[in-house]
Amino acid sequence: QAVVTQEPSVTVSPGGTVTLTCGSSTGAVTSGHYPYWFQQKPGQAPRTLIYDTNNKHSWTPARFSGSLLGGKAALTLSGAQPEDEADYYCFLFYGDDGVFGGGTKLAVL
Amino acid sequence: EVQLVESGGGLVKPGGSLRLTCAASGFILSGNHMTWVRQVPGKGLEWISFTNGVTNKISYADSVKGRFTMSRDNAKNSAYLQMNSLRDEDTAFYYCLGSGSFSTWGQGTPVTVSS
Repeated sequence: QAVVTQEPSVTVSPGGTVTLTCGSSTGAVTSGHYPYWFQQKPGQAPRTLIYDTNNKHSWTPARFSGSLLGGKAALTLSGAQPEDEADYYCFLFYGDDGVFGGGTKLAVL
Repeated sequence: EVQLVESGGGLVKPGGSLRLTCAASGFILSGNHMTWVRQVPGKGLEWISFTNGVTNKISYADSVKGRFTMSRDNAKNSAYLQMNSLRDEDTAFYYCLGSGSFSTWGQGTPVTVSS
């Protein structure tokens, strides 16, 4: 089974920009992995920020964007806000099997 | 509004069974992909099952293969997760997740396997 890797923890300053990445043990992440990005705050269910690499939901703040960068899926946060402090999970499809990354704990300090 | 609501969780003894329900509203489940995910409190997310809405192929994580069965009832616009031979390590919150523009999450349902 593939392993999906994320940075365990990242810190960004308020108003700053940060990019979280999502790599695959099988090689480059492509649009064929249909990358998803989920945000989860303590005590809450996850919510989807990005689907299919770079598509946003109506509730996704404009400061979040998804892309493919250097063989990985990437989630960029431009203009971090205190409320963005949360766990972020990426998810990749390998055919009909899915694999989550271990999550990135984002601190806004 | 696209919404998913899970139900059916509870306390069950090791070796027991539970059936979880994921009721969808705001979109038609038939023809759309559906995923079940679980999370042990304080831990990460674990993918456990996926139904391909186009091919109707169902896939499972190795950790639940042979014990869990995913199905759906198009008339009720609902998906199900039949969980048999439950183990202590199946204790978690269980979520259903739509796909693409329907990739909303339910609030989850807790499953506790304990004697």
